[in-house]
Amino acid sequence: AQSVTQLDSQVPVFEEAPVELRCNYSSSVSVYLFWYVQYPNQGLQLLLKYLSGSTLVKGINGFEAEFNKSQTSFHLRKPSVHISDTAEYFCAVSLMNRDDKIIFGKGTRLHILP
Amino acid sequence: DSGVTQTPKHLITATGQRVTLRCSPRSGDLSVYWYQQSLDQGLQFLIHYYNGEERAKGNILERFSAQQFPDLHSELNLSSLELGDSALYFCASRSGKQGATGYTFGSGTRLTVV
Repeated sequence: AQSVTQLDSQVPVFEEAPVELRCNYSSSVSVYLFWYVQYPNQGLQLLLKYLSGSTLVKGINGFEAEFNKSQTSFHLRKPSVHISDTAEYFCAVSLMNRDDKIIFGKGTRLHILP
Repeated sequence: DSGVTQTPKHLITATGQRVTLRCSPRSGDLSVYWYQQSLDQGLQFLIHYYNGEERAKGNILERFSAQQFPDLHSELNLSSLELGDSALYFCASRSGKQGATGYTFGSGTRLTVV
């Protein structure tokens, strides 16, 4: 079975500072990896996904994530955050070559401090 | 607008009642997934339909049921409601059969059981 662990439930960071949201996954088979963002009172939106190839993936709104197979991690980073990045961020995995469900982590709430 | 439509946006009902949540997937998407989001449990997978057929069940209570109609819209029926059923219910659709395709989420139905 697959699982996703987001190590921080909340991350406070000052505006214009860099941020890293941590994600580790567990799976006995290869998986696809995703980051989703949920703004207040909205549904989830896809930020980026890793399918194969380059381990550094760029997404929307200046976010990027790095896949590390040996550490089974998929951490999300942004070099300079803005107040508009205040949201909850979810790391997720999905089995390859299957229409199986996506399994989500419990989420990390990003608080941007002025 | 993500293209996935969920109605109603908000629902307040009493314990013991029955409600129906509706989801229209993005045009062309054959898969519909239902998730329950609560503060303590995070995003929990409930059920997956593909082109009218049930494909997978998650942690869905026996009091809950779902179906997908020929026009591909889906309904989630929740009966004998309890206070603990209060949550955000999300529907998501997916275009492909393989795990590389991420979900497109609706904006959710917030259910409050009083």
